[in-house]
Amino acid sequence: AQSVTQPDIHITVSEGASLELRCNYSYGATPYLFWYVQSPGQGLQLLLKYFSGDTLVQGIKGFEAEFKRSQSSFNLRKPSVHWSDAAEYFCAVGARKGYSSASKIIFGSGTRLSIRP
Amino acid sequence: AAGVIQSPRHLIKEKRETATLKCYPIPRHDTVYWYQQGPGQDPQFLISFYEKMQSDKGSIPDRFSAQQFSDYHSELNMSSLELGDSALYFCASSPSGRGTGELFFGEGSRLTVL
Repeated sequence: AQSVTQPDIHITVSEGASLELRCNYSYGATPYLFWYVQSPGQGLQLLLKYFSGDTLVQGIKGFEAEFKRSQSSFNLRKPSVHWSDAAEYFCAVGARKGYSSASKIIFGSGTRLSIRP
Repeated sequence: AAGVIQSPRHLIKEKRETATLKCYPIPRHDTVYWYQQGPGQDPQFLISFYEKMQSDKGSIPDRFSAQQFSDYHSELNMSSLELGDSALYFCASSPSGRGTGELFFGEGSRLTVL
């Protein structure tokens, strides 16, 4: 079964500073990997996803993530954060299944991002 | 583009009452998933259906049941509601076949149990 760990519960960065949110996964093969963002009381918005190919994935809102198989990691980065990036960020992992059905995804516990003016 | 539709968006119930949430997947998506997100928690997988059959089961309480209908919409039935059932319930859908593994989430149904 797949699992995912986000070691940082809460991170605070200054506006304009760079950001890296950590994510480590456990899965026996190459997984599907996702980053979602959620504002308080709102739904889940997909930032980016990795399923094959280039290990550096570009997403929306200027975010990117790099899949590192050797480290079982999929860290999320942004070169310069904006106050509007303050939210909860979830890393998620999905298993690869056969043709007949897709797999659930499992979420990490989330990292709350605060932005310092 | 059509998205996953969940109804109702907000629901208030008393303890021991019953609630039903509905989910309408994206057209041509045959797999539906239900997640529960408690306050300050990550979304927890409850159950999924593929072609109207249960395909996977997570931490769904025995008081809850779900099914997928012939038109692929799904309903989550919750009985004997408890205060701890207050949460945001997400439905997601995906197409079968080799793809990106992406689940498409609805906006969620917020259940408050008083």
